Amino acid sequence: RKEVEQDPGPFNVPEGATVAFNCTYSNSASQSFFWYRQDCRKEPKLLMSVYSSGNEDGRFTAQLNRASQYISLLIRDSKLSDSATYLCVVNGGSSNTGKLIFGQGTTLQVKP
Amino acid sequence: DVKVTQSSRYLVKRTGEKVFLECVQDMDHENMFWYRQDPGLGLRLIYFSYDVKMKEKGDIPEGYSVSREKKERFSLILESASTNQTSMYLCASSSGTANTGELFFGEGSRLTVL
Repeated sequence: RKEVEQDPGPFNVPEGATVAFNCTYSNSASQSFFWYRQDCRKEPKLLMSVYSSGNEDGRFTAQLNRASQYISLLIRDSKLSDSATYLCVVNGGSSNTGKLIFGQGTTLQVKP
Repeated sequence: DVKVTQSSRYLVKRTGEKVFLECVQDMDHENMFWYRQDPGLGLRLIYFSYDVKMKEKGDIPEGYSVSREKKERFSLILESASTNQTSMYLCASSSGTANTGELFFGEGSRLTVL
């Protein structure tokens, strides 16, 4: 089983749609969780951290379910500019070594 | 702004050649990482470093070595390139305990081994 698993997609949605991505992780000791965004032929960049209580940044909402070892990202009112690959990232364990494990990414294509 | 600079965007090498990939960051970050990214496999950690002259193996260190002689520079070395090392290589840096999660990536070096 992969340490971090995502549905690779692609997700093709019309502008204005709401889309949700899911991610599961295998290490129950993981303590830090993130979503990164990677545009085509570009480097990944941090989109948002994921907190236990859930957190929101504009149209983006991230949720964490520790019991199910599950993370989600919800995008409301999709824009063309949201087209990208979204990477689920999990800290590899309880130590401070900070080894981050990346999922393979979920590709989103927002159509006009 | 944090800047992570990778020396070469595109390289073409022959099997058996020694390859150096250089990475420099300008934000005095303690932590530096080398990943490779392949379709369907995502980013995989090759090596990382938390301090000068310190290195630790990641998940796929075989066939690679690294050097960190100065805090701002982290080099990835392929001693004898092979075709299965054709990939996109991404360098990243971060500050403090890396649990903060914000990795700053370079633009990547696309290596083709013939």
